[in-house]
Amino acid sequence: DVKVTQSSRYLVKRTGEKVFLECVQDMDHENMFWYRQDPGLGLRLIYFSYDVKMKEKGDIPEGYSVSREKKERFSLILESASTNQTSMYLCASSFIREGQPQHFGDGTRLSIL
Amino acid sequence: GNSVTQMEGPVTLSEEAFLTINCTYTATGYPSLFWYVQYPGEGLQLLLKATKADDKGSNKGFEATYRKETTSFHLEKGSVQVSDSAVYFCALNRAGGYQKVTFGTGTKLQVIP
Repeated sequence: DVKVTQSSRYLVKRTGEKVFLECVQDMDHENMFWYRQDPGLGLRLIYFSYDVKMKEKGDIPEGYSVSREKKERFSLILESASTNQTSMYLCASSFIREGQPQHFGDGTRLSIL
Repeated sequence: GNSVTQMEGPVTLSEEAFLTINCTYTATGYPSLFWYVQYPGEGLQLLLKATKADDKGSNKGFEATYRKETTSFHLEKGSVQVSDSAVYFCALNRAGGYQKVTFGTGTKLQVIP
């Protein structure tokens, strides 16, 4: 069965810390995505990657970076966490062919104090 | 650019009522269209999809038809159950490129017994 696994369901960090969110997929998908989900704003794309070591900015990349050293793993990094980055973070992956759906992890609820 | 507009929620229905959640889109070319569902505490799951005009996607009693002339992809179900209570997202996957997805803001459905 298709599986996207995010390393933590809940995470609490302090302002200024460097935060790592990890995501692993077992479907050999080319694409991987990081979104944040906030009430009333839906899903907003932070970054995506279409291949190892390749990355593209999404709609709200400021304050974030990503790393994809292996095909199955995509990491989101908050360089210096701030309270406005408190949110639900969702990882997704998909094949690169047209019409292919995205598969999502269960999300990480991150609180920055 | 691409955009998806779906009806504001929350939508509250009694069990066995008919459901319609409206979705319209703006896109260049011929995008693929999706409905995703998010149950409490979980990530998004694909509910159904349609990849070309006049296609009908269906799953678990839900249906949606790709209407290019009205740029719409409305979600319908003839008889909702309490277990259908969730947030529903309409999305499009633009033709070509790296399969980035544009999501609507989501519609929360609550079904009461």
